[in-house]
Amino acid sequence: AQSVAQPEDQVNVAEGNPLTVKCTYSVSGNPYLFWYVQYPNRGLQFLLKYITGDNLVKGSYGFEAEFNKSQTSFHLKKPSALVSDSALYFCAVTPRGGYQKVTFGTGTKLQVIP
Amino acid sequence: EAEVAQSPRYKITEKSQAVAFWCDPISGHATLYWYRQILGQGPELLVQFQDESVVDDSQLPKDRFSAERLKGVDSTLKIQPAELGDSAMYLCASSLADNQPQHFGDGTRLSIL
Repeated sequence: AQSVAQPEDQVNVAEGNPLTVKCTYSVSGNPYLFWYVQYPNRGLQFLLKYITGDNLVKGSYGFEAEFNKSQTSFHLKKPSALVSDSALYFCAVTPRGGYQKVTFGTGTKLQVIP
Repeated sequence: EAEVAQSPRYKITEKSQAVAFWCDPISGHATLYWYRQILGQGPELLVQFQDESVVDDSQLPKDRFSAERLKGVDSTLKIQPAELGDSAMYLCASSLADNQPQHFGDGTRLSIL
């Protein structure tokens, strides 16, 4: 069975500093990987995805993520954090081939401090 | 405002009552999902449709929950009877295919008294 781990419940970073939100996964074969963001009382919004190709994926709002197959990780990064980036971030994974359910992590709360 | 429409946004009801949620996905999206999200946790898939057919309802408590997507467009999720433990956010999402990004509605926050 597939799984996603987001080891940090909360990440605090000063405005203007780089940020990293960690994600590791377990899945049979090669995965599709996603990052979503959720603001209070809203649904999740898609940020970026890894399908194949370049291990560094660029997404919305200046976010990027690095796929590392050997470490089974897909960490979310941004060079310079904004206060408006404060939100809940979810990593998600689904295996390739046929019907496969998407599994979400438990989420990491990002707090950007002015 | 989210592209996937959900209603109502908030619902407060007493246990043992019936509750219904409605979702209108993005036009052309064949795949529709219903999730339950408990505060502080990730979304848990309840049911997934491909057009009008159920692809996965393995986590749907079928003794009290039902879902339908009769014409392969909008969808309804029902709970009857509601229990205290059903209090949560219910999210609907849609996508072009099951390996494509999902687009979420803003959800229905359900409180059972």
